[in-house]
Amino acid sequence: IQMTQSPSSLSASVGDRVTITCRASQSIRNYLNWYQHKPGKAPELLIYAASRLQPGVPSRFSGSGSGTHFSLTITSLQPEDFATYYCQQSFNSPRTFGRGTKVEIK
Amino acid sequence: QVHLVQSGAEVKRPGASVKVSCKASGYTFIDYFIHWVRLAPGQGLEWVGRIHPDGGDTAYADKFQGRVTMTRDTSVSTAYMELSGLKSDDTAVYYCARWSAFDTGGHFLSAFEFWGQGTMVTVSS
Repeated sequence: IQMTQSPSSLSASVGDRVTITCRASQSIRNYLNWYQHKPGKAPELLIYAASRLQPGVPSRFSGSGSGTHFSLTITSLQPEDFATYYCQQSFNSPRTFGRGTKVEIK
Repeated sequence: QVHLVQSGAEVKRPGASVKVSCKASGYTFIDYFIHWVRLAPGQGLEWVGRIHPDGGDTAYADKFQGRVTMTRDTSVSTAYMELSGLKSDDTAVYYCARWSAFDTGGHFLSAFEFWGQGTMVTVSS
């Protein structure tokens, strides 16, 4: 299953609302996870099952979608949110990722 | 709490092999799949393969078939990934991650919940 993320990068300011989209090449129902990755650190699970917030993740992060179209939204971007975000399908193997969206400071 | 601690950075020549370890603690090692994911410079996350510590069943991405071997030693709660025939484009950070199941109301979906700190593998002549 191919996962296509867009945009590949974006520039935003602190306080902005940011939306990242992810499209699957076939229906994956709600088998979709989102991760945040900062340089030099391990990736961190943000959202599983398309919309379920991992405990400890701030509520400004939210996920939506099902089937083939998904989105990750960050309301009121914070300085610690500048990172690369990946979607990943857990519908079948191989466990494919999107190519990532780098969120940079404007 | 759950921890996955990986072995240190490696520098290898093209054609050599590398073996990376991932020591688990804070949970029952044999109950969860361990996956390996890599991040090459300028690239995105790439799934390499996985092993189930209870029995040692493995599955690998097509791209790595024939070059990767995943094993485990349950006596020390450690998973291993060995990659042979190294090429320059194998230069990457390699992560192990625990595949966890989440109950969404009787229906279980899975994700990479815990990750190791990463192991930098550099392939250079």
